[in-house]
Amino acid sequence: AQSVTQPDIHITVSEGASLELRCNYSYGATPYLFWYVQSPGQGLQLLLKYFSGDTLVQGIKGFEAEFKRSQSSFNLRKPSVHWSDAAEYFCAGLDQNRDDKIIFGKGTRLHILP
Amino acid sequence: DGGITQSPKYLFRKEGQNVTLSCEQNLNHDAMYWYRQDPGQGLRLIYYSQIVNDFQKGDIAEGYSVSREKKESFPLTVTSAQKNPTAFYLCASSGQGWRNQPQHFGDGTRLSIL
Repeated sequence: AQSVTQPDIHITVSEGASLELRCNYSYGATPYLFWYVQSPGQGLQLLLKYFSGDTLVQGIKGFEAEFKRSQSSFNLRKPSVHWSDAAEYFCAGLDQNRDDKIIFGKGTRLHILP
Repeated sequence: DGGITQSPKYLFRKEGQNVTLSCEQNLNHDAMYWYRQDPGQGLRLIYYSQIVNDFQKGDIAEGYSVSREKKESFPLTVTSAQKNPTAFYLCASSGQGWRNQPQHFGDGTRLSIL
Protein backbone atom coordinates (compact mmCIF):
# COMPACT_ATOMS: atom_id res chain seq x y z
CA ALA A 1 0.00 0.00 0.00
CA GLN A 2 1.12 3.51 -0.71
CA SER A 3 2.15 5.51 2.35
CA VAL A 4 3.63 8.80 3.46
CA THR A 5 5.80 9.00 6.57
CA GLN A 6 6.93 12.00 8.54
CA PRO A 7 9.55 10.72 10.99
CA ASP A 8 9.56 13.78 13.25
CA ILE A 9 6.52 14.57 15.40
CA HIS A 10 8.01 17.80 16.76
CA ILE A 11 10.84 20.01 15.52
CA THR A 12 12.20 23.08 17.33
CA VAL A 13 14.38 25.67 15.64
CA SER A 14 15.50 29.16 16.52
CA GLU A 15 14.12 32.11 14.63
CA GLY A 16 16.38 32.88 11.70
CA ALA A 17 17.78 29.36 11.53
CA SER A 18 17.33 27.06 8.57
CA LEU A 19 14.67 24.36 8.53
CA GLU A 20 14.29 20.93 7.01
CA LEU A 21 11.22 18.77 7.59
CA ARG A 22 11.49 15.18 6.47
CA CYS A 23 9.00 13.21 4.41
CA ASN A 24 9.36 9.72 2.99
CA TYR A 25 6.95 8.10 0.60
CA SER A 26 6.25 4.60 -0.56
CA TYR A 27 5.00 4.59 -4.14
CA GLY A 28 5.49 2.29 -7.08
CA ALA A 29 5.09 4.76 -9.92
CA THR A 30 5.69 8.49 -10.27
CA PRO A 31 4.48 10.06 -7.07
CA TYR A 32 2.45 13.22 -6.85
CA LEU A 33 3.44 14.91 -3.61
CA PHE A 34 2.34 17.91 -1.58
CA TRP A 35 3.23 19.89 1.51
CA TYR A 36 0.49 21.60 3.49
CA VAL A 37 0.66 23.88 6.54
CA GLN A 38 -1.95 24.16 9.28
CA SER A 39 -2.15 26.92 11.87
CA PRO A 40 -4.01 26.08 15.11
CA GLY A 41 -7.76 25.81 14.61
CA GLN A 42 -7.49 26.37 10.88
CA GLY A 43 -7.73 24.34 7.73
CA LEU A 44 -4.79 23.24 5.61
CA GLN A 45 -3.04 25.56 3.18
CA LEU A 46 -1.03 24.22 0.26
CA LEU A 47 2.63 25.24 0.35
CA LEU A 48 3.82 23.45 -2.79
CA LYS A 49 3.29 20.42 -4.99
CA TYR A 50 5.38 18.10 -7.14
CA PHE A 51 3.93 16.34 -10.14
CA SER A 52 6.88 15.93 -12.49
CA GLY A 53 9.79 17.83 -14.01
CA ASP A 54 12.27 19.83 -11.94
CA THR A 55 12.90 18.01 -8.69
CA LEU A 56 13.35 21.25 -6.73
CA VAL A 57 9.96 22.82 -6.20
CA GLN A 58 9.39 26.37 -5.02
CA GLY A 59 6.37 27.19 -2.91
CA ILE A 60 4.76 30.03 -1.05
CA LYS A 61 6.14 31.74 2.06
CA GLY A 62 9.74 31.04 1.02
CA PHE A 63 9.47 27.26 1.26
CA GLU A 64 10.95 24.76 -1.17
CA ALA A 65 11.05 20.98 -1.37
CA GLU A 66 13.28 18.56 -3.21
CA PHE A 67 12.08 15.28 -4.65
CA LYS A 68 14.74 12.56 -4.41
CA ARG A 69 13.62 9.31 -5.98
CA SER A 70 16.73 7.42 -4.83
CA GLN A 71 15.90 8.22 -1.21
CA SER A 72 12.10 8.15 -1.58
CA SER A 73 12.07 11.56 0.06
CA PHE A 74 10.36 14.90 -0.42
CA ASN A 75 11.83 17.10 2.31
CA LEU A 76 10.62 20.63 2.95
CA ARG A 77 13.17 23.39 3.48
CA LYS A 78 13.34 27.05 4.36
CA PRO A 79 16.61 28.97 4.67
CA SER A 80 15.51 31.24 7.53
CA VAL A 81 12.40 30.67 9.64
CA HIS A 82 10.18 33.37 11.12
CA TRP A 83 8.10 33.12 14.30
CA SER A 84 4.99 33.04 12.10
CA ASP A 85 6.14 29.72 10.62
CA ALA A 86 5.22 27.94 13.85
CA ALA A 87 2.50 25.52 12.76
CA GLU A 88 1.90 21.91 11.84
CA TYR A 89 3.17 20.69 8.51
CA PHE A 90 1.74 17.78 6.55
CA CYS A 91 3.34 15.90 3.72
CA ALA A 92 0.87 14.15 1.43
CA GLY A 93 0.77 12.03 -1.68
CA LEU A 94 -1.82 11.23 -4.30
CA ASP A 95 -2.92 7.60 -4.29
CA GLN A 96 -3.65 6.85 -7.93
CA ASN A 97 -4.73 3.32 -7.03
CA ARG A 98 -7.58 4.64 -4.90
CA ASP A 99 -9.51 7.19 -6.95
CA ASP A 100 -6.73 9.80 -6.64
CA LYS A 101 -7.35 10.24 -2.95
CA ILE A 102 -4.69 11.99 -0.92
CA ILE A 103 -2.75 10.13 1.75
CA PHE A 104 -1.48 12.35 4.55
CA GLY A 105 1.48 11.88 6.83
CA LYS A 106 0.80 12.32 10.52
CA GLY A 107 2.32 15.77 10.60
CA THR A 108 5.30 17.56 12.11
CA ARG A 109 4.70 20.35 14.58
CA LEU A 110 7.23 23.16 14.20
CA HIS A 111 8.14 25.24 17.24
CA ILE A 112 10.15 28.45 16.90
CA LEU A 113 12.45 29.72 19.64
CA PRO A 114 12.79 33.52 19.84
CA ASP B 1 -13.34 35.07 -3.50
CA GLY B 2 -13.96 31.38 -4.04
CA GLY B 3 -13.53 29.02 -1.16
CA ILE B 4 -14.94 26.45 1.20
CA THR B 5 -17.18 27.39 4.09
CA GLN B 6 -17.67 25.07 7.02
CA SER B 7 -20.22 25.74 9.73
CA PRO B 8 -20.51 25.90 12.60
CA LYS B 9 -16.96 26.44 13.81
CA TYR B 10 -17.76 24.78 17.15
CA LEU B 11 -20.44 22.17 17.79
CA PHE B 12 -21.50 20.26 20.86
CA ARG B 13 -23.30 16.95 20.85
CA LYS B 14 -25.30 15.27 23.55
CA GLU B 15 -25.23 11.53 24.02
CA GLY B 16 -27.51 9.74 21.55
CA GLN B 17 -27.85 12.78 19.32
CA ASN B 18 -27.13 13.11 15.61
CA VAL B 19 -25.45 16.30 14.46
CA THR B 20 -24.83 17.65 10.97
CA LEU B 21 -21.77 19.59 9.85
CA SER B 22 -22.16 21.87 6.88
CA CYS B 23 -19.71 22.24 4.00
CA GLU B 24 -20.30 24.55 1.05
CA GLN B 25 -17.91 25.36 -1.80
CA ASN B 26 -18.09 27.90 -4.63
CA LEU B 27 -15.01 26.70 -6.47
CA ASN B 28 -17.05 24.70 -8.98
CA HIS B 29 -15.22 21.56 -7.89
CA ASP B 30 -16.64 18.15 -8.68
CA ALA B 31 -15.01 16.28 -5.81
CA MET B 32 -15.55 16.86 -2.11
CA TYR B 33 -14.10 15.14 0.96
CA TRP B 34 -14.55 14.88 4.71
CA TYR B 35 -11.62 14.24 7.02
CA ARG B 36 -11.35 13.68 10.72
CA GLN B 37 -8.30 15.03 12.52
CA ASP B 38 -7.17 13.82 15.95
CA PRO B 39 -3.94 14.89 17.68
CA GLY B 40 -0.98 12.90 16.38
CA GLN B 41 -3.12 11.02 13.85
CA GLY B 42 -2.95 13.26 10.84
CA LEU B 43 -6.04 13.39 8.62
CA ARG B 44 -8.21 10.35 8.09
CA LEU B 45 -10.73 10.18 5.26
CA ILE B 46 -14.34 9.64 6.29
CA TYR B 47 -16.29 9.95 3.01
CA TYR B 48 -15.71 11.40 -0.41
CA SER B 49 -17.82 12.28 -3.40
CA GLN B 50 -16.56 12.65 -6.94
CA ILE B 51 -19.86 13.71 -8.47
CA VAL B 52 -23.34 14.78 -7.44
CA ASN B 53 -25.58 12.01 -6.09
CA ASP B 54 -22.64 9.67 -5.60
CA PHE B 55 -20.29 9.13 -2.68
CA GLN B 56 -17.95 6.47 -1.31
CA LYS B 57 -16.76 5.42 2.11
CA GLY B 58 -13.30 6.38 3.17
CA ASP B 59 -11.16 4.71 5.78
CA ILE B 60 -13.28 5.49 8.86
CA ALA B 61 -16.89 5.79 7.64
CA GLU B 62 -18.57 3.89 10.49
CA GLY B 63 -20.89 6.13 12.49
CA TYR B 64 -21.03 8.82 9.80
CA SER B 65 -23.31 9.54 6.87
CA VAL B 66 -23.23 12.05 3.99
CA SER B 67 -25.32 13.27 1.09
CA ARG B 68 -24.41 15.03 -2.14
CA GLU B 69 -27.60 16.47 -3.59
CA LYS B 70 -25.92 19.60 -4.94
CA LYS B 71 -22.48 20.18 -6.39
CA GLU B 72 -21.80 22.94 -3.90
CA SER B 73 -22.79 21.09 -0.75
CA PHE B 74 -21.55 17.99 1.08
CA PRO B 75 -22.99 17.80 4.61
CA LEU B 76 -21.68 15.27 7.11
CA THR B 77 -23.89 13.74 9.80
CA VAL B 78 -22.22 12.34 12.88
CA THR B 79 -24.67 9.75 14.16
CA SER B 80 -25.15 8.38 17.66
CA ALA B 81 -23.41 5.22 16.44
CA GLN B 82 -20.11 7.14 16.40
CA LYS B 83 -18.94 6.48 19.95
CA ASN B 84 -15.94 8.79 19.93
CA PRO B 85 -16.97 11.81 17.85
CA THR B 86 -14.82 14.43 19.58
CA ALA B 87 -12.44 15.66 16.88
CA PHE B 88 -11.69 18.40 14.39
CA TYR B 89 -13.52 17.85 11.09
CA LEU B 90 -12.19 19.21 7.82
CA CYS B 91 -13.98 19.46 4.51
CA ALA B 92 -12.06 19.72 1.23
CA SER B 93 -12.77 19.94 -2.47
CA SER B 94 -10.86 19.48 -5.69
CA GLY B 95 -11.22 19.02 -9.40
CA GLN B 96 -11.35 15.52 -10.85
CA GLY B 97 -8.21 13.47 -11.30
CA TRP B 98 -4.57 14.10 -10.51
CA ARG B 99 -4.27 16.97 -12.94
CA ASN B 100 -6.82 18.96 -10.96
CA GLN B 101 -5.27 18.62 -7.55
CA PRO B 102 -4.60 19.83 -4.95
CA GLN B 103 -7.45 19.75 -2.52
CA HIS B 104 -8.62 23.02 -0.99
CA PHE B 105 -9.69 23.00 2.65
CA GLY B 106 -12.24 24.76 4.80
CA ASP B 107 -11.39 26.08 8.27
CA GLY B 108 -12.89 23.12 10.08
CA THR B 109 -15.53 22.34 12.68
CA ARG B 110 -14.56 21.27 16.18
CA LEU B 111 -17.06 18.79 17.61
CA SER B 112 -17.20 18.08 21.33
CA ILE B 113 -19.37 15.90 23.54
CA LEU B 114 -21.43 17.43 26.33
